[in-house]
Amino acid sequence: GDSVTQMEGPVTLSEEAFLTINCTYTATGYPSLFWYVQYPGEGLQLLLKATKADDKGSNKGFEATYRKETTSFHLEKGSVQVSDSAVYFCALSGGQAGTALIFGKGTTLSVSS
Amino acid sequence: GAVVSQHPSWVICKSGTSVKIECRSLDFQATTMFWYRQFPKQSLMLMATSNEGSKATYEQGVEKDKFLINHASLTLSTLTVTSAHPEDSSFYICSARDRGPKNIQYFGAGTRLSVL
Repeated sequence: GDSVTQMEGPVTLSEEAFLTINCTYTATGYPSLFWYVQYPGEGLQLLLKATKADDKGSNKGFEATYRKETTSFHLEKGSVQVSDSAVYFCALSGGQAGTALIFGKGTTLSVSS
Repeated sequence: GAVVSQHPSWVICKSGTSVKIECRSLDFQATTMFWYRQFPKQSLMLMATSNEGSKATYEQGVEKDKFLINHASLTLSTLTVTSAHPEDSSFYICSARDRGPKNIQYFGAGTRLSVL
């Protein structure tokens, strides 16, 4: 079945460091890909999405490109801030999953000043 | 952005009792709502998909008689954990999908259930 694998955390960075969180997926068909962020004590929020190959989703300085050839959707940010500290989830929908979201395990990011 | 309210945020109950969790879409209509369960340091696992006015569709391995889902209106879905036991202790999260073309899911803040 469909699945999402993302890098284990926690990821600990200093402010203004470069961030990469790897995400790969397995799915039939042509899924849409998402990154969700969960700040402490809050619900998941959609960070960015891409619906087809080579699409780049971007928001708040974060970017991810839908790479069908490598089945990847890595999250990147050039300069992280303390306020980016949160748990990041990679997810897909479509394919076998239908409209439901299939999530990765989540990666905790901790940014210190 | 769209807001999904989930209540309560934390509940502690005795073994054998039932607990109801509410999920409301506050400023949009949601024909479909989803219920997830999250174990510590684990991913969100889809439990069931709830469509307004019809029976919920449960994922394999989820007991429909233990986890009762009702989606009575376009803005409210409830999950009732019946005869809860300590192994049901977990973090339960709902999401609501808007009816528009963007097909985006909006998430509640989650409910932490602790069964003693």
